[in-house]
Amino acid sequence: GENVEQHPSTLSVQEGDSAVIKCTYSDSASNYFPWYKQELGKRPQLIIDIRSNVGEKKDQRIAVTLNKTAKHFSLHITETQPEDSAVYFCAASPPGSARQLTFGSGTQLTVLP
Amino acid sequence: EAGVAQSPRYKIIEKRQSVAFWCNPISGHATLYWYQQILGQGPKLLIQFQNNGVVDDSQLPKDRFSAERLKGVDSTLKIQPAKLEDSAVYLCASSFSGTNTEAFFGQGTRLTVV
Repeated sequence: GENVEQHPSTLSVQEGDSAVIKCTYSDSASNYFPWYKQELGKRPQLIIDIRSNVGEKKDQRIAVTLNKTAKHFSLHITETQPEDSAVYFCAASPPGSARQLTFGSGTQLTVLP
Repeated sequence: EAGVAQSPRYKIIEKRQSVAFWCNPISGHATLYWYQQILGQGPKLLIQFQNNGVVDDSQLPKDRFSAERLKGVDSTLKIQPAKLEDSAVYLCASSFSGTNTEAFFGQGTRLTVV
């Protein structure tokens, strides 16, 4: 089955700096890669996703890049703000209608004011 | 739109007791998932339903866990008997059918087994 590795496990940045979180996946058939943000005690919420036919996607301060050959994808947050502090999870999903997500272990991002 | 509803929010039980969790997905979502999230880890899929049929339960510990979605809407997840290592947050998620769909998560049920 799919295996997703995520690093770093913790990341602290100064407000206004950029943050980068990286994930690798094992199943070359995976074609959907979402990123979820989970604040303490709250539900995971989708912040951005990318499909394997696209190399990069951007939404305001958040961008995701995908390298299918190397089987890795990354989340980039620019101009970080204190409210970006949360745990971020990457995930990978195989093709087909069964969107079974395999999650990474999470990155605790802390934005220092 | 209303989100995925789960209850209870918290549950504390002794080992070897039984417990059940309930999930009401977003209206119209045919696909429903149960995930287990152990503290400090990412969610792990336990079971996936498409309407009232099981799509994948390969990671469900079937000797103690069971789940059903009898009418293709609400779902229950049961643990009997519970073990200490079952302490986790149990997340329910739902999505429309199809290949380009987002999974929406509920707030989860935090289970503590003592």
